[in-house]
Amino acid sequence: KAGVTQTPRYLIKTRGQQVTLSCSPISGHRSVSWYQQTPGQGLQFLFEYFSETQRNKGNFPGRFSGRQFSNSRSEMNVSTLELGDSALYLCASSLALWADTNYGYTFGSGTRLTVV
Amino acid sequence: GQQLNQSPQSMFIQEGEDVSMNCTSSSIFNTWLWYKQEPGEGPVLLIALYKAGELTSNGRLTAQFGITRKDSFLNISASIPSDVGIYFCAGQGAQKLVFGQGTRLTINP
Repeated sequence: KAGVTQTPRYLIKTRGQQVTLSCSPISGHRSVSWYQQTPGQGLQFLFEYFSETQRNKGNFPGRFSGRQFSNSRSEMNVSTLELGDSALYLCASSLALWADTNYGYTFGSGTRLTVV
Repeated sequence: GQQLNQSPQSMFIQEGEDVSMNCTSSSIFNTWLWYKQEPGEGPVLLIALYKAGELTSNGRLTAQFGITRKDSFLNISASIPSDVGIYFCAGQGAQKLVFGQGTRLTINP
C-alpha cells in the first residue's frame, strides 16, 4: 500500500517567486492537511482539505493557499516567497476530518523548501 | 493559540536506559498522539490515546493520557540505537493537531 507521496522532495527558490507543492494521499483517504515545520516554530498547521473544500485554516498569511482535486490529491501554493518561508512542508492524509473521528493521520516525507 | 509544552527538549542517554518525556497544555484535548521523526522523513505515529486516564503500550513504548486531559507522557524502556530521533506529542482539538516542540533523543552505545 503506497504511503503519502510529496513532490518534489527538495526545492530552491528565490525571494519573490512563487512555488507549488504537491501531495498525493493514501488511496481512499479523502482528507489532506498541510503543516510547516521550522526549527524555531516547530510544526504549524496550515490548512486542511476534504472533498475539494478547505475545512480548516491555520494562522498563516494569504500568500499560502491550497486546493484539492477530485482524486483527493492536493497542492499548496506560496506566492511572493520570503526568506522565512524556508521550511519542511509536510502533508498528512486521513480517511476523514479531524473533527469527525479519531482516525489517524499519515504523514508524507515532506518537501524541503529553501528560499534564497 | 493553543500550545503544548514538551519536555525535556533533548536527552542524551546510554543504550539500555529508560526514557521519559511529557507534554502539558493549558487546553483540554480529546486525543493525545505521540510521533517520532527521523532525519529527512515525516513524523510517524507511535501511540494514540483516546480516553482520559488511558495507559497504552506499543512494545517498549508506554504512554498515558492525563486525567485532566491536559497532559500526557511517553516512556521508552531499555532504549536501543534505533530509538534515536525526535519525539513529538500532539493534541487533537476540535479541528487540528497541535504539536509540542519535540524531544531530541540521542543514545550513546
